[in-house]
Amino acid sequence: QVQLQQRGAGLLKPSETLSLTCVVHGGSFSGYCWSWIRQSPGRGLEWIGEVYHNGNTNYNPSLKSRVTISIDTSKNQFSLNLTSVTAADAAFYFCARERMDSTMVTVFDNWGQGSLVAVSP
Amino acid sequence: DIVLTQSPDSLAVSLGERATINCKSSHNVLYTSNNKNYLGWYQQKPGQPPKLLISWASTRESGVPDRFSGSGSVTDFTLTISSLQAEDVAVYYCQQYYATPRTFGQGTKVEVK
Repeated sequence: QVQLQQRGAGLLKPSETLSLTCVVHGGSFSGYCWSWIRQSPGRGLEWIGEVYHNGNTNYNPSLKSRVTISIDTSKNQFSLNLTSVTAADAAFYFCARERMDSTMVTVFDNWGQGSLVAVSP
Repeated sequence: DIVLTQSPDSLAVSLGERATINCKSSHNVLYTSNNKNYLGWYQQKPGQPPKLLISWASTRESGVPDRFSGSGSVTDFTLTISSLQAEDVAVYYCQQYYATPRTFGQGTKVEVK
């Protein structure tokens, strides 16, 4: 049974960089795509971006200029960096596994527990 | 971006009664090459991440009770809970994986009447 364990800082000041890591325990790390999603009362569920096992990435255009998602296959983990945070970036952040169908990404079939990120001066 | 609009925003249903949630897409999410609708449904309970219930618009995940069913095609989809149980109280979301950015509906809160 795969488990996604999130790590990272919860309280940031405006202009700082948000950094989160998701460690994947159990199951296969290859053959999937790995995503970050955030949730806030104002924005609902918002997909941030994804990283494939080979390191290729896709980002939400609304965040692309500030987001980097990377993968470390040797440690079965992937990470999110979001630069220049503002109050609008305060949210629960989830990592999630995306099931693949042939070469296409499909549903989010496993999720991390979530990390609450607050932004305050 | 593909916009998913769910209706209603909330509904209250008596235990044992049917709950129906609709999801309308601003764009076709049916790939004609494989005749699959690239849409999923999730359940989220307080303090928990979303849980995948249904993929391909109508394929129930292993372990999901058969009172949950999905239907629809192209732009109009429905999640039905045939006989509401107390443990089904949650917020339900549809999500498209037809295109990036992947997008979610705004959610429908299901409560017991």
